[in-house]
Amino acid sequence: SAVISQKPSRDICQRGTSLTIQCQVDSQVTMMFWYRQQPGQSLTLIATANQGSEATYESGFVIDKFPISRPNLTFSTLTVSNMSPEDSSIYLCSVAESRNSPLHFGNGTRLTVT
Amino acid sequence: AQTVTQSQPEMSVQEAETVTLSCTYDTSESNYYLFWYKQPPSRQMILVIRQEAYKQQNATENRFSVNFQKAAKSFSLKISDSQLGDTAMYFCAFWTDRGSTLGRLYFGRGTQLTVWP
Repeated sequence: SAVISQKPSRDICQRGTSLTIQCQVDSQVTMMFWYRQQPGQSLTLIATANQGSEATYESGFVIDKFPISRPNLTFSTLTVSNMSPEDSSIYLCSVAESRNSPLHFGNGTRLTVT
Repeated sequence: AQTVTQSQPEMSVQEAETVTLSCTYDTSESNYYLFWYKQPPSRQMILVIRQEAYKQQNATENRFSVNFQKAAKSFSLKISDSQLGDTAMYFCAFWTDRGSTLGRLYFGRGTQLTVWP
């Protein structure tokens, strides 16, 4: 299965600032997704990162708050903009090598906003 | 809409014993996949086992097996010979291909499993 590197692994940020999370895969993958896991909760899909075009966002998530890039088939970034304490969560990158492949996850980024 | 329900927030089992985690789901899709993921304190999401809906045979991976009841929309995970390293949050998940290049994974709320020595 694909090896996923996600950076940073954790960060503490001040309110009003932005953080960009990187997801690098060691092979080309068809699909890349960004999930959020709030403390003690399950995972919620933020968006699907589309190669070469705008990401597809789930209900409740908007591009201005969570801009996503995917310049190629192995790399994506998620930016959490204008952060507030409510954005404190674990953010996970996940990939599927093909349409019917299972999702594999990066190690996640633990974000704390003070 | 697709939903995944895990009715057991917490479970515990003694080392070497067997435990079963429950999961039910609701969907109108005919082609889908079901998964169990574990998330230890390291927070890494690890795929435990996968079941394709079109397969009648229950999936097995070493000490992990599932009981897939398609008509009842039930997908339970059995862990045999439990080990201390099995302590983790376990998430049941459902995947459907929506007929395009996009698909999404629906997660249950998780079951925290603790294995006691």
